[in-house]
Amino acid sequence: KQEVTQIPAALSVPEGENLVLNCSFTDSAIYNLQWFRQDPGKGLTSLLLIQSSQREQTSGRLNASLDKSSGRSTLYIAASQPGDSATYLCAVLTGKIIFGKGTRLHILP
Amino acid sequence: EAGVTQSPTHLIKTRGQQATLRCSPISGHTSVYWYQQALGLGLQFLLWYDEGEERNRGNFPPRFSGRQFPNYSSELNVNALELEDSALYLCASSLDGGLIYEQYFGPGTRLTVT
Repeated sequence: KQEVTQIPAALSVPEGENLVLNCSFTDSAIYNLQWFRQDPGKGLTSLLLIQSSQREQTSGRLNASLDKSSGRSTLYIAASQPGDSATYLCAVLTGKIIFGKGTRLHILP
Repeated sequence: EAGVTQSPTHLIKTRGQQATLRCSPISGHTSVYWYQQALGLGLQFLLWYDEGEERNRGNFPPRFSGRQFPNYSSELNVNALELEDSALYLCASSLDGGLIYEQYFGPGTRLTVT
């Protein structure tokens, strides 16, 4: 049974710092992995999608990596800003989509 | 280009009633997915529709059902509402099925059962 774990559950960092969010999954047989952000009470915004054959994707200040063999993905945020404060979710796509419980990120001004 | 839209934004029902939630996918997308985000439980996969057919469903009882219309919009129906059905229900769409393509999410419908 596929399980997705995100560590840490919550993170507070000063503005301007670089940071890494972690996502691990138990079954490496995945189609792809997707990172989302969710603002309180709102829907999800897709950040990056990494196909199973890829190792990383970049969009602006965001970089996501995927290591299927070790069952890990990281989301790197460079030069964090207060507007980055949100919950970040990773989801593993197989026959279904399974989400981690997210990391609540708070960027301190 | 319009994103995924959902209606209503908020829905308040009493226990035992039925709720109907609606979703319109991005133009050109044929797959629609429904998710439940209940407090403390994270985001859980409910249903996946593609080309008008139910392709997969999560671990939810049969009183959660839905359908996809010829224009690819979708309805989620929840019968015999229970208090624990209170949650944010999110709809997503993608270009095709198989969970290969990126999913785009709507803003959600917040269902409150009293």
